[in-house]
Amino acid sequence: EAGVTQFPSHSVIEKGQTVTLRCDPISGHDNLYWYRRVMGKEIKFLLHFVKESKQDESGMPNNRFLAERTGGTYSTLKVQPAELEDSGVYFCASSQDRPVGSPLHFGNGTRLTVT
Amino acid sequence: RKEVEQDPGPFNVPEGATVAFNCTYSNSASQSFFWYRQDCRKEPKLLMSVYSSGNEDGRFTAQLNRASQYISLLIRDSKLSDSATYLCVVIPQGGSEKLVFGKGTKLTVNP
Repeated sequence: EAGVTQFPSHSVIEKGQTVTLRCDPISGHDNLYWYRRVMGKEIKFLLHFVKESKQDESGMPNNRFLAERTGGTYSTLKVQPAELEDSGVYFCASSQDRPVGSPLHFGNGTRLTVT
Repeated sequence: RKEVEQDPGPFNVPEGATVAFNCTYSNSASQSFFWYRQDCRKEPKLLMSVYSSGNEDGRFTAQLNRASQYISLLIRDSKLSDSATYLCVVIPQGGSEKLVFGKGTKLTVNP
């Protein structure tokens, strides 16, 4: 079984540019999550999709971040325009629908550097 | 106060040592508790869930004290391959599936 895959693995962009991160969850996993770790801080929740619907987007930092999951399969996270403080590792995770608390399977992450 | 706080570490121990990590959480209504492991530049991976009665998985023992809002992880007979960062993780409320992570405790097991 293929795991959660994320693309790209690394991205270096300049402040003000746009970056789009992609996540392919494990096939059949309805739940898809985005998390982020900025340097020196803990991993923090960004948002949660159930299929194509946003279940919880309380962790999204501001309106420069836009997440989509059209068709309920892969998801994209777009940052536009990027700021220096957006640098960090963006993790995607997926899980089966039930039970609550089913193990999350994380992808390897996208390491974003904004210069 | 942070939602999940952990020993900052780092812990450096010899092979075969027993090492314990502690974690406290602030939300008394928290429902689910986990220990994740993260290797350098890798993704977090679930090590074990933590149950109220305490649970063991081989050399790893997890304990939960709801009254003190305290979670622990004990590693016995540590191996070189146990070197990693150990993340205390909590789901802070029922009905939510949002994981709240501690900053992690780095463990290095030396030969």
